[in-house]
Amino acid sequence: DAGVTQSPTHLIKTRGQHVTLRCSPISGHKSVSWYQQVLGQGPQFIFQYYEKEERGRGNFPDRFSARQFPNYSSELNVNALLLGDSALYLCASYIGQGAYEQYFGPGTRLTVT
Amino acid sequence: QKEVEQNSGPLSVPEGAIASLNCTYSDRGSQSFFWYRQYSGKSPELIMSIYSNGDKEDGRFTAQLNKASQYVSLLIRDSQPSDSATYLCAVNMPTGGFKTIFGAGTRLFVKA
Repeated sequence: DAGVTQSPTHLIKTRGQHVTLRCSPISGHKSVSWYQQVLGQGPQFIFQYYEKEERGRGNFPDRFSARQFPNYSSELNVNALLLGDSALYLCASYIGQGAYEQYFGPGTRLTVT
Repeated sequence: QKEVEQNSGPLSVPEGAIASLNCTYSDRGSQSFFWYRQYSGKSPELIMSIYSNGDKEDGRFTAQLNKASQYVSLLIRDSQPSDSATYLCAVNMPTGGFKTIFGAGTRLFVKA
C-alpha cells in the first residue's frame, strides 16, 4: 500500500506570498494532521482533521488554515508568508477509531526568501 | 514547563549496549504515547506506541509507561550503528481538542 504522500517536495516563496501544500493519507485513514518542523526541534502541531472536521488546532496564527476533502486528502494554506515560516511541513495520517498511530509523509520543504 | 520534555543529548552508547531514552509530559489526562525515529533529512518513522501502564516490547525495542509519574521511556537493546538518529517522544493531549505534542528529541549515537 502507498504511504502518505505530500506535494510539492520543495518550494521557494517570497515574503508576503501565499502557499498551498497538499497531502494524501494512507488508504483507509480518515484523519490527517499537519506539523511544522524547524531544524533542531520536534514537529510542532498545527491542525488535526478527522472525517473532514477540524478536531485540533495548535498555537499558530490565523494565516495558517487547512481543510480536508471528501476523499480524506488535505490542504494546508499559509497566507502572507514570513521568513520564519521556512520549515519542513509534515503531514501524518491515522486510521482513527481508537487507533492513534500516525504515519508521516516525506514532508514539504518550504523556503521563504 | 514544556508539555513534553526530553533530554536533547547527544546520548552516546557503544554497539551492542542498551540505549535508554526518557520523556516526561505535563497533561495527566494524556492516554496515548508514541516513539518516533528520525534520520537526518527524513520524516519521523513510528517505532512504538503505548497506551497502558507497564512495558511493551517489539523486537529490540521496549517502551515503558508510568502514568502516575507522567513518564515514558524507550529502551533499545543490542544497539546498532544504524540506530543512530533522533528519537522523538510524542503524546496525544486531550485538553482543548485533539493535539499531538512532540518533544524536541534526543540524538542517539551508537559507536561501532
